[in-house]
Amino acid sequence: GQNIDQPTEMTATEGAIVQINCTYQTSGFNGLFWYQQHAGEAPTFLSYNVLDGLEEKGRFSSFLSRSKGYSYLLLKELQMKDSASYLCAVRDHGRGSTLGRLYFGRGTQLTVWP
Amino acid sequence: GAGVSQTPSNKVTEKGKYVELRCDPISGHTALYWYRQSLGQGPEFLIYFQGTGAADDSGLPNDRFFAVRPEGSVSTLKIQRTERGDSAVYLCASSSGAGVDEQFFGPGTRLTVL
Repeated sequence: GQNIDQPTEMTATEGAIVQINCTYQTSGFNGLFWYQQHAGEAPTFLSYNVLDGLEEKGRFSSFLSRSKGYSYLLLKELQMKDSASYLCAVRDHGRGSTLGRLYFGRGTQLTVWP
Repeated sequence: GAGVSQTPSNKVTEKGKYVELRCDPISGHTALYWYRQSLGQGPEFLIYFQGTGAADDSGLPNDRFFAVRPEGSVSTLKIQRTERGDSAVYLCASSSGAGVDEQFFGPGTRLTVL
């Protein structure tokens, strides 16, 4: 099966930079996703990596190293509204299809202080 | 455009009862996924459909859980003889099957089994 590991909690102050790490073990890797989830709401898509390297998207960047089974999400210029749970998810190849299920980590609860 | 919608938003039932949870995916999305999420955990995969057929149902915990998508659009998750351990938020997601193929999540149905 898959094993997704990420820290449970992190705190940071407004304007700072925070890096949320994720390590994974998977048998049929087909991409890594980061989702943001505010309390009581649905997860919303943030970023996607399938090749090694850094993907930048405004204040958010995500990095992937497939050989190390490692990813991180980098959040810059933190704002109070960034307080949320950040979910790392690995996509599996599924049964003979390019589509596949997502395996989620437990989520990292980020609290941004003023 | 309209996102993924789920009904009801909340469902309270008694142990042993039958429940149905409905998901309306984004129009034109061919893939539909069901997950459930317990407090402090990431979403846990249940089943996914490609069109009308269940492409992967390996996440269904036991034979009390069943899902259908008869016309390749709306899906219903059915739980028989509910147990207190079934209490969770049930999330539905859909994806286009193209490009990054990120999954778009609905707001979820909070199921409470008394």
